[in-house]
Amino acid sequence: EIVMTQSPATLSVSPGERVTLSCRASQSVGSNLAWFRQKPGQAPRLLIYGASTRATGIPARVSGSGSGTEFTLTISSLQSEDFALYYCQHYNNWPLWTFGQGTTVEIK
Amino acid sequence: EVQLVQSGAEVKKPGESLKISCKGSGYSFTDYWIGWVRQMPGKGLEWMGIIYPGDSDTRYTPSLQGQVTISADMSMTTVYLQWSSLRASDTAMYYCARVYGSGPINQAPAYWGQGTLVTVSS
Repeated sequence: EIVMTQSPATLSVSPGERVTLSCRASQSVGSNLAWFRQKPGQAPRLLIYGASTRATGIPARVSGSGSGTEFTLTISSLQSEDFALYYCQHYNNWPLWTFGQGTTVEIK
Repeated sequence: EVQLVQSGAEVKKPGESLKISCKGSGYSFTDYWIGWVRQMPGKGLEWMGIIYPGDSDTRYTPSLQGQVTISADMSMTTVYLQWSSLRASDTAMYYCARVYGSGPINQAPAYWGQGTLVTVSS
């Protein structure tokens, strides 16, 4: 099993600030990495796939980077809708798809 | 517009059977892998299994093999997740999710249903 480790567990930031979330894979997943945002009571929403491609409707202030085992999600200027729970997930080789444990971005 | 609409919340007793559904619309139902993700109360996300409706090729996460059954009805453009004997530990939110593009299985899950809450309690 490929273990996905996200850090930190929680980020406390102010609106307008820049934030960077990390996701590390226990072995290489190439660029088969996605990021999701989940708000309370809602389904996850795809933000980034292929490690760095924004999904439809995702603004340019959201960006992803990395390959292999190290990945980051950056939000350049936090808006109210960005305060949520974020998951990374690799989809390198079914049935080994796994999610990270999540990072909560909360208002400082 | 791609839409995945799931069946409503369920409350069941241990040992009962259950089948929940996920209806796809706005795309060619047979051409995209669609799977099920479990989220236990207050916990993270976990893939359970995935199906290709075009030929019903179904694959399960090894830890859940035999515990659930995933199926698809092309005429109804609906995918199902079913249990023959529920346990209290099956209490969770269940999401269906379709991969981004047609064909290969290893793609990001781009479209999600709204979730079905299953509560199993005596």
